[in-house]
Amino acid sequence: SYELTQPPSVSVSPGQTARITCSGHLLSQIFAYWYQKKSGQAPTLVIYEDSNRPPGIPERFSGSKSGTVATLTINGAQVEDEADYYCCSTDRSGLPSFGGGTKVTVL
Amino acid sequence: QEQLVQSGAEVKMPGASVKISCKASGYRFASYGVSWMRQAPGQGLEWLGWNSFYQGQTHYAPNLRDRLTVTTDMSTSTAHLELRNLRSDDTAVYFCARFGSGRFYFDLWGQGTLVTVSS
Repeated sequence: SYELTQPPSVSVSPGQTARITCSGHLLSQIFAYWYQKKSGQAPTLVIYEDSNRPPGIPERFSGSKSGTVATLTINGAQVEDEADYYCCSTDRSGLPSFGGGTKVTVL
Repeated sequence: QEQLVQSGAEVKMPGASVKISCKASGYRFASYGVSWMRQAPGQGLEWLGWNSFYQGQTHYAPNLRDRLTVTTDMSTSTAHLELRNLRSDDTAVYFCARFGSGRFYFDLWGQGTLVTVSS
């Protein structure tokens, strides 16, 4: 399956900026999506089609992409943003793959 | 409101089959597809397969193609996942999620169903 690479963990203090990268060789041509996963809860879509925020997602969440690297940025991270974050994209057949996930710690 | 409600937890023996349901409400079921994912203990999200009624297409992850069937029942707005010949490494929380026409993202998720495979 299509491989997407994320750092295992990112740690920031409250109010700082957290950046999570996702690397995949097709990302320059295909959209990236980002999901937030808290323990015991279903995932939540936080960014779709590289940089769009669904209704209800705080403005501090933003997405960008440069070449084959997509980035999720949390500006002014809050304690409630502590979660695992997964990037997702599709291969040339349109089938999805998830990155390994990044644990974001805010303390 | 829009929601997906999944069936309850299951405990199965190795070699058995499991069937999980995912009932949609609050939106036009026929206008969306349903995808299935899982998360094993301590692991990340894994895409399993999806069924798109409006496109008439079903696709599976290559590693599960011979054991997995996903279907949709339009009369009850319910999607089903059946996984056969269960193994211990199929122990996971299974999620269903909605995706739109031509869109490859999942904007509405079920609450998850824990499947435990143990002898």
